[in-house]
Amino acid sequence: EAGVTQSPRYAVLQEGQAVSFWCDPISGHDTLYWYQQPRDQGPQLLVYFRDEAVIDNSQLPSDRFSAVRPKGTNSTLKIQSAKQGDTATYLCASSFIRGEQYFGPGTRLTVL
Amino acid sequence: GEQVEQRPPHLSVREGDSAFIICTYTDSATAYFYWYKQEPGAGLQLLMSVFSNVDRKEEQGLTVLLNKKDKRLSLNLTAAHPGDSAVYFCAVSGLGTGSKLSFGKGAKLTVSP
Repeated sequence: EAGVTQSPRYAVLQEGQAVSFWCDPISGHDTLYWYQQPRDQGPQLLVYFRDEAVIDNSQLPSDRFSAVRPKGTNSTLKIQSAKQGDTATYLCASSFIRGEQYFGPGTRLTVL
Repeated sequence: GEQVEQRPPHLSVREGDSAFIICTYTDSATAYFYWYKQEPGAGLQLLMSVFSNVDRKEEQGLTVLLNKKDKRLSLNLTAAHPGDSAVYFCAVSGLGTGSKLSFGKGAKLTVSP
């Protein structure tokens, strides 16, 4: 069974540029999560979906970050006008209902 | 909200020795407990999950202890080998917090031959 896949694996931007991250969850998993992991820190939840519905986006910086999961399968996380403080690894995870979460390899973002 | 403290942040052991990592949490309603392993440049690999009705769980050289009275969760790696070198994270969630995981800051384990 394929795991969670993410692309791209790396991204380097100048401040003010936009970037999108893509996630394909494990087949059959209805719940999808996006986490931000700053260097030498634990992951912090940004947003999660059950099917196509946003369940919790309270930690998503709404002025510059957006996330969608239009068909309840793949998901895209977008950062408009990136800042140096957004430098981190962005992890996607999926689960079935509220079961164990399985993580993808992450996208390492550097904002110069 | 839930606060998770993890210690030590770094530990070094020799091959064959044990490594011990502790997490403490604050919310008495916490019900689900997880340990993850992260190797350099990789995502998080789920090692073990424990529900709150379990005090001890052992799998493949790993022992997880849960002390709900003290709100403490521990991971013991017995007979560590160099391939165990990684960052280990604890994560917890509560019945009332949906699927939201709160993570510790991680413990970097180095196992030398």
